[in-house]
Amino acid sequence: AQSVAQPEDQVNVAEGNPLTVKCTYSVSGNPYLFWYVQYPNRGLQFLLKYITGDNLVKGSYGFEAEFNKSQTSFHLKKPSALVSDSALYFCAVRDDSGNTGKLIFGQGTTLQVKP
Amino acid sequence: KAGVTQTPRYLIKTRGQQVTLSCSPISGHRSVSWYQQTPGQGLQFLFEYFSETQRNKGNFPGRFSGRQFSNSRSEMNVSTLELGDSALYLCASSSGQGGAQETQYFGPGTRLLVL
Repeated sequence: AQSVAQPEDQVNVAEGNPLTVKCTYSVSGNPYLFWYVQYPNRGLQFLLKYITGDNLVKGSYGFEAEFNKSQTSFHLKKPSALVSDSALYFCAVRDDSGNTGKLIFGQGTTLQVKP
Repeated sequence: KAGVTQTPRYLIKTRGQQVTLSCSPISGHRSVSWYQQTPGQGLQFLFEYFSETQRNKGNFPGRFSGRQFSNSRSEMNVSTLELGDSALYLCASSSGQGGAQETQYFGPGTRLLVL
């Protein structure tokens, strides 16, 4: 069964510092991995996805993610955090059995960026 | 292109009632997926519709049902509401073709409160 795990419930970082939000995955085939962000009382916004190829994926709002096959990780990163980045972040893997669009989400990590 | 729209945005119902939520996908998208988000269980997949057919289903009781129309708009119905059905219900839209390019885009959600 496919799954993702986000080991940290909350990450705190000072504005201007680099940030990392961690995600590990378990898949049986090709990993289609995603990061989404959710602001209060809003839906999920797509940030980026890993398909195959480059291990460093660039996405929206200056975010990027590093895919590491040996460590089965897909960590979200940003070189310089903004207060406005404070939100709930979800890592997800797509269940590609049977050509479905089902996403399996991690439990989410709250990012708090302090001025 | 307009994004995914969901109506209504907020609903208050009482136990035993039923509710219908609506989702209009991005123009040209043929797949609509539904997710339930609660603080305790996180984001859970309900079902996916593609070309008016249910393509996949999560582990929810039969009180949760859905359908998709020929214009790809989808509705989700919950009958005999329980207090535990209080949640944010998110709809996601995608092309439905699967493969590397498949990305789900989410609507703002419908927040359901069951009293």
